[in-house]
Amino acid sequence: QVQVVESGGGVVQPGGSLRLSCEASGFIFSSYGMHWVRQAPGKGLEYVSFIQYDGHTKYYADAVRGRFTISRDNSKNTVYLQMNSLRKDDTAVYYCAGGYDDKGPEYWGQGALVTVSS
Amino acid sequence: SYELTQPPSVSVSPGQTAMITCSGDALPNKFVYWYQQKSGQAPVLVIYDDDKRPSGIPTRFSGSISETMATLTISGAQVQDEAAYYCYSRDTSNNPWVFGGGTKLTVL
Repeated sequence: QVQVVESGGGVVQPGGSLRLSCEASGFIFSSYGMHWVRQAPGKGLEYVSFIQYDGHTKYYADAVRGRFTISRDNSKNTVYLQMNSLRKDDTAVYYCAGGYDDKGPEYWGQGALVTVSS
Repeated sequence: SYELTQPPSVSVSPGQTAMITCSGDALPNKFVYWYQQKSGQAPVLVIYDDDKRPSGIPTRFSGSISETMATLTISGAQVQDEAAYYCYSRDTSNNPWVFGGGTKLTVL
């Protein structure tokens, strides 16, 4: 069956860095665009970043552009989110989600909590 | 920047029809996706490509679109449908994806 599992969350100080990983199984990963979506405590869903199935095209939300980098390794069925210069308002649950080709995601992980605090 | 606009809340009695709207200028040219999120859980896709229902989603969930407004309809809403619902779609710029602000559906 389909599994999407995020890892790498934790507590980090403002200005610090963290790398999230997301390993997928149960679907043809190399045919799926991958989304990172976050949700701050008590808030709605917020798009963070998207990478096309082949890794050639990447997009970022304005709030993270220049600080976050998305990448993927199709040989490992894994997508990454490198987060630098973290700020307190980056505190959120980060979800990884996959959609066929460049469609909206159908498969979601359970999320990884990132807390930015001194 | 591109925005999708949803009402913050919708309330219906059990068995009634709930309609949640999502408006955006690019919707005539871009598919919309609808997600259900119950408290403490990951989102679940309930409608894709404007009006298609994934397998396993009850038939009371349907989607439609008219010009710049998409609508999620829950016909005969049930107590277990209480959740936040989000629309998700693309823009044509370099910041291509955006969520609506979410709609809290209350069924009681």
